Amino acid sequence: AAGVIQSPRHLIKEKRETATLKCYPIPRHDTVYWYQQGPGQDPQFLISFYEKMQSDKGSIPDRFSAQQFSDYHSELNMSSLELGDSALYFCASSSGVSSYEQYFGPGTRLTVT
Amino acid sequence: DQQVKQNSPSLSVQEGRISILNCDYTNSMFDYFLWYKKYPAEGPTFLISISSIKDKNEDGRFTVFLNKSAKHLSLHIVPSQPGDSAVYFCALLRNSGNTPLVFGKGTRLSVIA
Repeated sequence: AAGVIQSPRHLIKEKRETATLKCYPIPRHDTVYWYQQGPGQDPQFLISFYEKMQSDKGSIPDRFSAQQFSDYHSELNMSSLELGDSALYFCASSSGVSSYEQYFGPGTRLTVT
Repeated sequence: DQQVKQNSPSLSVQEGRISILNCDYTNSMFDYFLWYKKYPAEGPTFLISISSIKDKNEDGRFTVFLNKSAKHLSLHIVPSQPGDSAVYFCALLRNSGNTPLVFGKGTRLSVIA
């Protein structure tokens, strides 16, 4: 069965650079969530989209922005990168407001040097 | 302030025995509870869930118990197998689907052959 796809899997950037992470949800899933997991930490919710509209916002820095496109894929744009942004970034998708299970992609490991 | 607590960072169990992973929460507004399993270099994989109107849900070797009055849930794995060795996160949802998951910090389970 098709799973959530994230690209790239690994990304190395320098401080103050920008990065774009992409997420392709499971087909027919209309909701996308972004989570950030720092070393030894639990995943922390950043932002989510339902039917291409932002539905919830968590601890996402102002330097980050995201959107969901007409084909339901989503992109997380990160600017003025800081060392503390180094983390695993997970995308998850779910189907509809009545669906509780979120299915996660393999994650993008971002390293900021 | 951590709303979801997994107080055991690690657990070792002999193959064939029962593994019990625990999770406590502070906010009564959570009404859907999930367990995720995570292998290194992979995203969290949905394992089993339970809604607040139930106190037990079973799926094969995995059973989740919910004690709402104690704000406590647990995951039982029996019999434990070496392939169960992973990090287990409990994750909670408020209200309904389409909302972000709130994760615990995870418990690393090691099943010893």
